[in-house]
Amino acid sequence: EPEVTQTPSHQVTQMGQEVILRCVPISNHLYFYWYRQILGQKVEFLVSFYNNEISEKSEIFDDQFSVERPDGSNFTLKIRSTKLEDSAMYFCASNTDRDYGYTFGSGTRLTVV
Amino acid sequence: ILNVEQSPQSLHVQEGDSTNFTCSFPSSNFYALHWYRWETAKSPEALFVMTLNGDEKKKGRISATLNTKEGYSYLYIKGSQPEDSATYLCAGPSGGTSYGKLTFGQGTILTVHP
Repeated sequence: EPEVTQTPSHQVTQMGQEVILRCVPISNHLYFYWYRQILGQKVEFLVSFYNNEISEKSEIFDDQFSVERPDGSNFTLKIRSTKLEDSAMYFCASNTDRDYGYTFGSGTRLTVV
Repeated sequence: ILNVEQSPQSLHVQEGDSTNFTCSFPSSNFYALHWYRWETAKSPEALFVMTLNGDEKKKGRISATLNTKEGYSYLYIKGSQPEDSATYLCAGPSGGTSYGKLTFGQGTILTVHP
């Protein structure tokens, strides 16, 4: 069964450093998303991406965050200058049709120290 | 703002027991309700996407119902097995459509004891 793959599975970074979280969505999917879950909190939406542009973003997704789909397969989330409060599990997801559930990756646990 | 609530927060059952838990959401401006199963160290897996009032969907021993008028969905597991142990998440789109940004509940952690 097709999967959404995310790398790395765990990343530790120093506060203020830039990180890039990588995702390879399912090849025929059209809609791409990033979500995150801070420990003990709800899963929260960051951004959705369709037709090579951001279609919606949350208040969390400020100027420190950006997304790219540079080559038609990878979908990346960049955090320019990480803060302690960015520590969370980050999930990439995609779907092919608006009325289907999402396929999630297994997540990248980001720890900012 | 969509507020999705789940109860109970956690549940312990014995193998073979049937169980159910609840997802509550605002009944106004309803578009869809998603259920996911999230096992530890794995990715959340889509179980159901429900859109119509009175919808009932089934996948093996798991089924779900939807009441959009009163704003709730139930997830049922018949004859729970240890492999059903997971966090069950419900979520609803909050962008005014049936897709896009999902707002998640806090999840119900199910533990099935052998």
